[in-house]
Amino acid sequence: DPKIIQKPKYLVAVTGSEKILICEQYLGHNAMYWYRQSAKKPLEFMFSYSYQKLMDNQTASSRFQPQSSKKNHLDLQITALKPDDSATYFCASSQQGINNQAPLFGEGTRLSVL
Amino acid sequence: GEQVEQLPSSLIVQEGASVLINCSYTDSASVYFPWYKQEPGKRLQFIIDIRSNMERKQTQRLTLLFDKKTKHLSLHITATQPGDSAIYFCSASMANYNVLYFGSGTKLTVEP
Repeated sequence: DPKIIQKPKYLVAVTGSEKILICEQYLGHNAMYWYRQSAKKPLEFMFSYSYQKLMDNQTASSRFQPQSSKKNHLDLQITALKPDDSATYFCASSQQGINNQAPLFGEGTRLSVL
Repeated sequence: GEQVEQLPSSLIVQEGASVLINCSYTDSASVYFPWYKQEPGKRLQFIIDIRSNMERKQTQRLTLLFDKKTKHLSLHITATQPGDSAIYFCSASMANYNVLYFGSGTKLTVEP
């Protein structure tokens, strides 16, 4: 019974389009994160949120925008998609910050940009 | 930023063997080191962690050693089983930052 739900599991998009990746966690955690995994960079940190506020951002491009409408939601909007954006995007969460508890990861959304 | 390196990149062993996965990091400010396991097409699964004020941690068949002076960790897995086949990731985080830096992974294959 997955406690971190990512939707959709698979996503195919055309270059230049916009997509939203959904993440919900039912663990009561206060911190949420996005990571990206591709052939070029195995696991790359993107964003961290704590109590719905952005804490860390290591994504150079403004085409990636996290959105937190509720405490247990952290969606990822990607605009002007490029083939290089093709990757698996993992959402994760932890009770508090990372140094208190290792984040738990969702099953990922596999994005292919044609 | 922090850089985490893992060696070897892949390992193939026979069931029952022990394996050692090495990990090194660059930033002395890193204080927390969780390890994860990822089976093909699956999510990352937390397996063991250690903090910089510890030297050793053991759970069942996993032993994690930490050397703060050399900035080096090693994960020892004993009595391997085919179900241990996966990619193992070392990671590091610094105090007051909610960022995990990952190594490139070690692909372990355990043959029956």
